[in-house]
Amino acid sequence: GAVVSQHPSRVICKSGTSVKIECRSLDFQATTMFWYRQFPKKSLMLMATSNEGSKATYEQGVEKDKFLINHASLTLSTLTVTSAHPEDSSFYICSANAGTGLYTEAFFGQGTRLTVV
Amino acid sequence: TQLLEQSPQFLSIQEGENLTVYCNSSSVFSSLQWYRQEPGEGPVLLVTVVTGGEVKKLKRLTFQFGDARKDSSLHITAAQPGDTGLYLCAGPAGGTSYGKLTFGQGTILTVHP
Repeated sequence: GAVVSQHPSRVICKSGTSVKIECRSLDFQATTMFWYRQFPKKSLMLMATSNEGSKATYEQGVEKDKFLINHASLTLSTLTVTSAHPEDSSFYICSANAGTGLYTEAFFGQGTRLTVV
Repeated sequence: TQLLEQSPQFLSIQEGENLTVYCNSSSVFSSLQWYRQEPGEGPVLLVTVVTGGEVKKLKRLTFQFGDARKDSSLHITAAQPGDTGLYLCAGPAGGTSYGKLTFGQGTILTVHP
């Protein structure tokens, strides 16, 4: 299957600083990637759709100035958590989809555990 | 957005028992996927079902897609501790974003030795 690599896997940062998370599709091109946030023992919550070469589409309630998304190439999307605060601590996961026109399958990165202290 | 209702949310069983997880919707889906996620990792795709009534088997896991393509189930036979994890069903969310998925609430399965 397709491989999606996410980096870093864990990061601890001080309150008020910014953190960048990278999501790469290693063996295929992804014009669209997705960013999720996951709380403990909960399902994935879609934050935004990352579109190569254009602005990201954010889900309702997600602050676009807080969670900056850049998708500058067909294999890389980045999520920057700006001015991070402890309440931003969470597990962030990216995905890219591959498949035919009949159906798509999501391939996920390993996730990033963000802790803001 | 099409919604997926997944049940049960929590399942705690002994090794060797059988279990079934359900994924239901009032909407028709062109396909449904099942994923398994371990703590600290991203979800991993287990299977995709695309045809109404379809049954797929993956070792001790049996996946079924409802005839009307509104529901799916995951059955595990003789569960083992290695089956422990979060199981998620997902389907196309519709709309204009290609590849956008909607997820069920997830089922946390714990298999005790």
